[in-house]
Amino acid sequence: QVQLVQSGAEVQKPGASVKVSCKASGFTFADYYMHWVRQAPGQGPEWMGIINPTDGSTSYAQQFQGRVTMTRDTSTRTLYMELSNLRFEDTAVYYCVRGYWYSSSYFDYWGRGTLVTVSS
Amino acid sequence: QSVLTQPPSASGTPGQRVTISCSGSNANIGSNTVNWYQQLPGTAPTLILYNNDQWPSGVPDRFSGSKSGTSASLAISGLQSEDEADYYCSAWDDSLNAWVFGGGTKLTVL
Repeated sequence: QVQLVQSGAEVQKPGASVKVSCKASGFTFADYYMHWVRQAPGQGPEWMGIINPTDGSTSYAQQFQGRVTMTRDTSTRTLYMELSNLRFEDTAVYYCVRGYWYSSSYFDYWGRGTLVTVSS
Repeated sequence: QSVLTQPPSASGTPGQRVTISCSGSNANIGSNTVNWYQQLPGTAPTLILYNNDQWPSGVPDRFSGSKSGTSASLAISGLQSEDEADYYCSAWDDSLNAWVFGGGTKLTVL
């Protein structure tokens, strides 16, 4: 079965960086694209960006460009999302999500999420 | 402020039919398909409808979706206590070049 196993909760200070991992299993890595979506407390989800696991190409939402980096390790089927220059408003649950890269696509499997807390 | 607009809350009694609306613009719902997600308390969202009205495997047909112009709606018939959750609509936005979500509707089963 499809599994997206994410790393544990993090507490970081403002200005620091955080790197969240997501290990994928149960499906053919090359057949899908992977997204990162975050959800702040009491808010709706917010799409951050997408990565092609095959060639590592990425596209980021405009509001995260310059601060987010998405990478992958095909040998371990692990994805990474690094967010730098953290602000208090970056406190959220960060989800690794399976999907596609076309406009009528959808997110069919979500990881359990990684809580990132930005606190001084 | 979410790009897609949903009512913050909805409610119904067991067995009733409830609908949840999702309003957008020509850049998103007006040009692209809508997907719906259910989020039970303390868990990740799960896909319950895609391409406006299609069911993923395992989702009961009590859930149905429709789209007209720049609005979409989710209907839940035969309401059950386990349907109590947050519901989110989502679509691709051609102007933002991003997937966008609604702010969510909290469904209470009375």
